[in-house]
Amino acid sequence: KAGVTQTPRYLIKTRGQQVTLSCSPISGHRSVSWYQQTPGQGLQFLFEYFSETQRNKGNFPGRFSGRQFSNSRSEMNVSTLELGDSALYLCASKGLALADTQYFGPGTRLTVL
Amino acid sequence: GQSLEQPSEVTAVEGAIVQINCTYQTSGFYGLSWYQQHDGGAPTFLSYNALDGLEETGRFSSFLSRSDSYGYLLLQELQMKDSASYFCAVRDSRDDKIIFGKGTRLHILP
Repeated sequence: KAGVTQTPRYLIKTRGQQVTLSCSPISGHRSVSWYQQTPGQGLQFLFEYFSETQRNKGNFPGRFSGRQFSNSRSEMNVSTLELGDSALYLCASKGLALADTQYFGPGTRLTVL
Repeated sequence: GQSLEQPSEVTAVEGAIVQINCTYQTSGFYGLSWYQQHDGGAPTFLSYNALDGLEETGRFSSFLSRSDSYGYLLLQELQMKDSASYFCAVRDSRDDKIIFGKGTRLHILP
């Protein structure tokens, strides 16, 4: 079974731009979560989607948004980029077998200049 | 508030045993998970404790005590490849949000 895939793997943007990141979960997984990882803050929860519905949202400003499609693929969007948005953005998918066993993708490394 | 506390760094010797603790402050949660992350890699799932007690998976074991708001990951027969960061995580039962600890960097000396 293929793992979680994320595209692009690396991205360089400038302040004020917007960015869209994509995540394809493991086949059959309907839950997708997004995290921001920075050296100082660790892994911070952004949002979680299940069957195209946002189940939950972390404490991030409205510039961060996401969606999930009928095939469970998910995208997250960050508008009006700030320098502090530079981070590794991780996507994780979860099946129904064991509560909260998440399978992470390799991440997208976003650098904002 | 909701928080998970872990030591930032732990150092141990190859072949030894090391315990990484995780204490939490949340009124209720569904279970405690542990993840491993190597430098430049993605977190990978190690173990999950839904109930109090010890769960063993090979060289790794995880323990949970809800009454003590405490859990730990135990790594035995340490190998150099175990050098990584280890994260504990819970899903808060009040708001269903997933919370990760800030991670423990494990250094292994030969």
